[in-house]
Amino acid sequence: EAGVAQSPRYKIIEKRQSVAFWCNPISGHATLYWYQQILGQGPKLLIQFQNNGVVDDSQLPKDRFSAERLKGVDSTLKIQPAKLEDSAVYLCASSGTRKGTNEKLFFGSGTQLSVL
Amino acid sequence: AQSVSQHNHHVILSEAASLELGCNYSYGGTVNLFWYVQYPGQHLQLLLKYFSGDPLVKGIKGFEAEFIKSKFSFNLRKPSVQWSDTAEFFCAVNARTGGFKTIFGAGTRLFVKA
Repeated sequence: EAGVAQSPRYKIIEKRQSVAFWCNPISGHATLYWYQQILGQGPKLLIQFQNNGVVDDSQLPKDRFSAERLKGVDSTLKIQPAKLEDSAVYLCASSGTRKGTNEKLFFGSGTQLSVL
Repeated sequence: AQSVSQHNHHVILSEAASLELGCNYSYGGTVNLFWYVQYPGQHLQLLLKYFSGDPLVKGIKGFEAEFIKSKFSFNLRKPSVQWSDTAEFFCAVNARTGGFKTIFGAGTRLFVKA
């Protein structure tokens, strides 16, 4: 089966610029996650969608980050404006048809963002 | 709040050595526990998971982990590592009262010398 697709693979921008990441989950997976992984740390959940609704966005810096999953399939994560501390790998993951629970996460390859 | 602590950031072993990576979590309720692995150049993938039942769970490639509830631990083990086990390992936990939000530890980088 096709995995979780993410693009772009790498992105370099200057601070205060905007950037967007795209994710297409595994077909049929209702739950989609965006994680931020800063170098030397584990992935930190930014936002979790169940179909096209937000389940958890408690750690999303809403003054600059936004995410949407309009049709309950693919998703975009945007940063506007970017700060130096946003340099990280942004991971998208998806899981099966039930809300979170004990299902395993399937991860994409991530987008490595460098903010200069 | 839930948190996950991994004891070692970097581990270097020779082939055939035994491996044990420590993981402790802070949460008093019922939890689901996971180990994920990221091989060089690959994406994160599930290594093994514990939901209930036998506290000793076996995963892919000869890895196993033991859940010790009294110690809030879920340590990963492998009796004899191979060069191909070089990777980064992440312990993760989610819980019902946390909305099943999966929290990851900081990761342990394992390097196996041939």
